[in-house]
Amino acid sequence: GQQVMQIPQYQHVQEGEDFTTYCNSSTTLSNIQWYKQRPGGHPVFLIQLVKSGEVKKQKRLTFQFGEAKKNSSLHITATQTTDVGTYFCAGPLKAAGNKLTFGGGTRVLVKP
Amino acid sequence: NAGVMQNPRHLVRRRGQEARLRCSPMKGHSHVYWYRQLPEEGLKFMVYLQKENIIDESGMPKERFSAEFPKEGPSILRIQQVVRGDSAAYFCASSGYGTEIAKNIQYFGAGTRLSVL
Repeated sequence: GQQVMQIPQYQHVQEGEDFTTYCNSSTTLSNIQWYKQRPGGHPVFLIQLVKSGEVKKQKRLTFQFGEAKKNSSLHITATQTTDVGTYFCAGPLKAAGNKLTFGGGTRVLVKP
Repeated sequence: NAGVMQNPRHLVRRRGQEARLRCSPMKGHSHVYWYRQLPEEGLKFMVYLQKENIIDESGMPKERFSAEFPKEGPSILRIQQVVRGDSAAYFCASSGYGTEIAKNIQYFGAGTRLSVL
């Protein structure tokens, strides 16, 4: 069935290094969103991408929406301990009545 | 503008008791979503409601679970005769402002951590 998948499931990063996490949908999405959940916390909306090929930056975070609008990536530069948490992507899937469907998340652990 | 409010933050129940989880959406929001999350796992959709209507309950277990969003007051997720497997974090999210694209953005409450003894 239609779904949203994220890789990797876990990302261990040395403080100061860069990394990228990926989100893939089985179908074209009208938009894609990213959320961050700190350990013990709740998901917090980060950003929404709407246009094909769109790139948005938030400080050290760079979000990209693929040309085919089926995938997205989040790149973090110079990782800090404050980046620890789980990053979820989410998109509205037609098979799910266009309600937001979340990926399984990438759990980011930072080694000082 | 107050955010999404959930209470209680922590709830302890013995097997067989009922659990009632409350969610007040952001002011002006008319769409409410409930999710369940087990430790180290993702968000599992349970139910989507608008005022007085259940829009999508495809993620709700067929038995013991029910949800409502009355005309007045918060949305309620009710779990009857709880079992240990119901122990999880339950998050509520709301949406509803602006353009259709903007309305798709969900704002989450702090969650209710349910522990069943």
